[in-house]
Amino acid sequence: QSALTQPPSASGSPGQSVTLSCTGASSDVGVYNYVSWYQQHPGKAPKLIIYEVSKRPSGVPDRFSGSKSGNTASLTVSGLQAEDEADYYCSSYAGSNNLVFGGGTKLTVL
Amino acid sequence: EEQLLQSGGGLVQPGGSLRLSCAASGFTFSIFAMSWVRQTPRGGLEWVSAITGSGGRTYYADSVKGRFTISRDNSKNTLSLQMNSLSADDTAVYYCAKAQVGSTSYYGAGYWGQGTLVIVSS
Repeated sequence: QSALTQPPSASGSPGQSVTLSCTGASSDVGVYNYVSWYQQHPGKAPKLIIYEVSKRPSGVPDRFSGSKSGNTASLTVSGLQAEDEADYYCSSYAGSNNLVFGGGTKLTVL
Repeated sequence: EEQLLQSGGGLVQPGGSLRLSCAASGFTFSIFAMSWVRQTPRGGLEWVSAITGSGGRTYYADSVKGRFTISRDNSKNTLSLQMNSLSADDTAVYYCAKAQVGSTSYYGAGYWGQGTLVIVSS
């Protein structure tokens, strides 16, 4: 059982926007601004696309954006493209030197 | 170009030990915290351990505390994970990862190694 809750699947058509959620608790997402999002294509290592809730690493398209409200963090992918089809994982610092992940969301581009 | 090249892993019997290594290049290794994250057969990611850039502080998930030891050699740009008392629950692909920000914050993993498979089975 993952510490953070993500819906197992999501989908959208090319060009559309889709928002993925990551629900934690007041002891992790709700209190720390250390939420990260990772994209993972089959057979590949995860890739960081958002860190510290809303910051994008160099090279990540601005189609990807992150936000947080209360105990829930969100990743929005705008202008969906075929290559965005992947698994997406969130993580959050949870205090006491502990880092927790969500179970992942499989994003399908229709 | 940043690179993290992993080695070690393989098949080990329950109760056995294994050592994973991660050789870094293309960046100043000593100024970044490093982590180990594993991906279970069901697909989920689990943070395992982290170490500050200097190596002065180490952190562990409760599931591996007392069994795993993370270390680094900044003179050789190498990260290691010594795994003892392994059980089937430790079966996973293990990734080493470089912190996105600085020497103490391991909360965002900015670059990942290629992963190495550890199978614990008799």
